[in-house]
Amino acid sequence: NAGVTQTPKFQVLKTGQSMTLQCAQDMNHNSMYWYRQDPGMGLRLIYYSASEGTTDKGEVPNGYNVSRLNKREFSLRLESAAPSQTSVYFCASDKWGIGHYGYTFGSGTRLTVV
Amino acid sequence: AQTVTQSQPEMSVQEAETVTLSCTYDTSESNYYLFWYKQPPSRQMILVIRQEAYKQQNATENRFSVNFQKAAKSFSLKISDSQLGDTAMYFCAFRPFGQFYFGTGTSLTVIP
Repeated sequence: NAGVTQTPKFQVLKTGQSMTLQCAQDMNHNSMYWYRQDPGMGLRLIYYSASEGTTDKGEVPNGYNVSRLNKREFSLRLESAAPSQTSVYFCASDKWGIGHYGYTFGSGTRLTVV
Repeated sequence: AQTVTQSQPEMSVQEAETVTLSCTYDTSESNYYLFWYKQPPSRQMILVIRQEAYKQQNATENRFSVNFQKAAKSFSLKISDSQLGDTAMYFCAFRPFGQFYFGTGTSLTVIP
């Protein structure tokens, strides 16, 4: 049981380039999330998908787009990367999107924009 | 607004000793859930312990326990018999409904 799989694990982009971070979960979870982690700022929510077919903005959505491709997959796209988007990105999922269930996290993507 | 504050950016503890990490939160909700996550150097986020706000009994998971003070909106994590493998960043998280809100983290180093 793989849990939450994120690809790639590392990426270096030039300013202005685009890329898509992929996330897939095999736990039949309904809700999926994208966070970014920056030193001294904890984890901040970029976008989330409460259920298949829905997506909503989180705290820091500017410069990002998402697609909930199906129940398993939730991708994050940077259309025109900026140095301010240098960060570690985490995908997470949970069964119902509420309650005492904790998130299951992917292993993260370290993105550097130069 | 929902906020989570971890006021100790860095802490250290001698191996086998006990350490307590602090966390406070601010909310107007009455029902919610609280969590501690561990992030070792591998970067993987690992759930350590969770607490349901309507339960007065403090949660315990082996060497990890919490001191939950609902009126004070405080949720500290106690690690007993610290081990080298406990060296990690620890995040406090709060879930009133739907999404989580995370603190800024406490970097814990266990010294041999």
